[in-house]
Amino acid sequence: ETGVTQSPTHLIKTRGQQVTLRCSSQSGHNTVSWYQQALGQGPQFIFQYYREEENGRGNFPPRFSGLQFPNYSSELNVNALELDDSALYLCASSRQERGEKLFFGSGTQLSVL
Amino acid sequence: KNEVEQSPQNLTAQEGEFITINCSYSVGISALHWLQQHPGGGIVSLFMLSSGKKKHGRLIATINIQEKHSSLHITASHPRDSAVYICAATSGGYNKLIFGAGTRLAVHP
Repeated sequence: ETGVTQSPTHLIKTRGQQVTLRCSSQSGHNTVSWYQQALGQGPQFIFQYYREEENGRGNFPPRFSGLQFPNYSSELNVNALELDDSALYLCASSRQERGEKLFFGSGTQLSVL
Repeated sequence: KNEVEQSPQNLTAQEGEFITINCSYSVGISALHWLQQHPGGGIVSLFMLSSGKKKHGRLIATINIQEKHSSLHITASHPRDSAVYICAATSGGYNKLIFGAGTRLAVHP
């Protein structure tokens, strides 16, 4: 049990819709990073939030956006969903923005039809 | 060529065998992580290394910074060790992880 919780666990959407995924960090962690894992592949870094600011981003288009709240929980928003957005979305929290062990949630499985 | 490469992709072992999974990387890193992912998706961080060697129970992780290579060893393997093991590198000024493709391990009784 990592103390990082994600919701929902599963979600089905249709192409063009918008989705919001949520992540509650482990207590005391001020950094959250989000990853996309397509079936059979390793996770890909989407972005990281540190103290409510985005401080790192991977190769994902602007329709992938996020928020971090004062309690350090986080949201991942994806607009104009595409079929290729179907994946497992993982969040991970850590105590600091760098050099710290990451604690992962169990993920949200998103299916876009 | 991926920045983080793992081998083998798939590994089958008999219970009790000694297992080694290898990871090489081509980028400058601040740390190397070994992660375990079970069916259903949850990822558990096993080790974070920046030098030398770490041990936890039957698991040992080593890293050679000069050779840009890390290994994960499992001694006395058990069926409950069956999972995907992922090597990931932290590169850059934040916790961006660059993941290897993973090694799918199956340990049979």
